Amino acid sequence: DAGVIQSPRHEVTEMGQEVTLRCKPISGHDYLFWYRQTMMRGLELLIYFNNNVPIDDSGMPEDRFSAKMPNASFSTLKIQPSEPRDSAVYFCASSPGKGGWGNQPQHFGDGTRLSIL
Amino acid sequence: SQELEQSPQSLIVQEGKNLTINCTSSKTLYGLYWYKQKYGEGLIFLMMLQKGGEEKSHEKITAKLDEKKQQSSLHITASQPSHAGIYLCGAGVNRDDKIIFGKGTRLHILP
Repeated sequence: DAGVIQSPRHEVTEMGQEVTLRCKPISGHDYLFWYRQTMMRGLELLIYFNNNVPIDDSGMPEDRFSAKMPNASFSTLKIQPSEPRDSAVYFCASSPGKGGWGNQPQHFGDGTRLSIL
Repeated sequence: SQELEQSPQSLIVQEGKNLTINCTSSKTLYGLYWYKQKYGEGLIFLMMLQKGGEEKSHEKITAKLDEKKQQSSLHITASQPSHAGIYLCGAGVNRDDKIIFGKGTRLHILP
């Protein structure tokens, strides 16, 4: 079975450019999560969706960050304009039901390594 | 806000030795998850603990949950090079659908 698919795997771009990260969750999973991982702050939840609807975006760092989920099989995380401090590994994860205390583990993609010069 | 503290931050052990990684929550735990991350890759789900006193095993890895102490431990028996990587614990937040993660423990196995 296909897991969570993220693209691109690596992205290098100059400061000020728009960056779009893509994610295809596992078919049938109702929840989709976007995370950012850095050495300093570890793995941080940015936003999550349930049935394509954003539920909690309190982790989105600034208005420069936006996320959409137009359908059950696709989500994007966009940064515009990008800054060097956005450099990190961005992960997408999906789960088949209620996460957290709902006892459904999340399945992660391989991540996008983003470098902003 | 809830925080998860993992200890140690980094661990180097000789192949064949046993080791333990701990995860302590600042608040009540609502589900505890253990993941492994190989360098440069995504997180692989290992196991999930839900109830106090629960213990689960997967191959040579055993995890336990002490609900009263708001703590979980991950124990690896007879470590192998394939165990090397970053181990992260995650916990449910209140009764939400999201999970917060510790910063991870980096495990290196010496041949």
